[in-house]
Amino acid sequence: ETAVFQTPNYHVTQVGNEVSFNCKQTLGHDTMYWYKQDSKKLLKIMFSYNNKQLIVNETVPRRFSPQSSDKAHLNLRIKSVEPEDSAVYLCASSWGGRGDTQYFGPGTRLLVL
Amino acid sequence: AQSVTQPDARVTVSEGASLQLRCKYSYFGTPYLFWYVQYPRQGLQLLLKYYPGDPVVQGVNGFEAEFSKSNSSFHLRKASVHWSDWAVYFCAVSMDDNYAQGLTFGLGTRVSVFP
Repeated sequence: ETAVFQTPNYHVTQVGNEVSFNCKQTLGHDTMYWYKQDSKKLLKIMFSYNNKQLIVNETVPRRFSPQSSDKAHLNLRIKSVEPEDSAVYLCASSWGGRGDTQYFGPGTRLLVL
Repeated sequence: AQSVTQPDARVTVSEGASLQLRCKYSYFGTPYLFWYVQYPRQGLQLLLKYYPGDPVVQGVNGFEAEFSKSNSSFHLRKASVHWSDWAVYFCAVSMDDNYAQGLTFGLGTRVSVFP
């Protein structure tokens, strides 16, 4: 049963364009996350957002930024895409505790030409 | 820094055979550990998770895992695999001092099941 929704499923764009991906969770969770999964399946945390507190992985380029309108939504904006941004972007949510399960969306696959 | 190692990139198993996937972690404090599964073109789904306590954890779909502090391991097992277990399996650890930073994942083990 899906409770974390992501749109679009797939997006193709050209270098330099701006893109935005949406994520919504219906679980009532307090914390949301964005992960990047590269072509080798490596998963890395990009951002987490909880009660207006944003935590940024220091390796994330500045062209990436999360945007939240309320605790159920955490969108991801990429200001000027680069070829290395081609990946699957996974959104997740949890109650925010250390041992709490993170629930993942199906992902948005980005291809940068 | 914490890390998770899954030494087997690929595992091939016959349907009905047993399966063990290895996971080693490197972490100074008390770990919270997770196993997730990713089916083709889907997000991650939780199989099971470990809280400090009973070292053997039961999960969904017949999976279980055993935590060993002395070996720094959290291996996943299934007694009899089904063709639907064809997927990528990820081991992950949650940080202690700043768990809001999210999970640290291993590189995953791709499991192929043949009749």
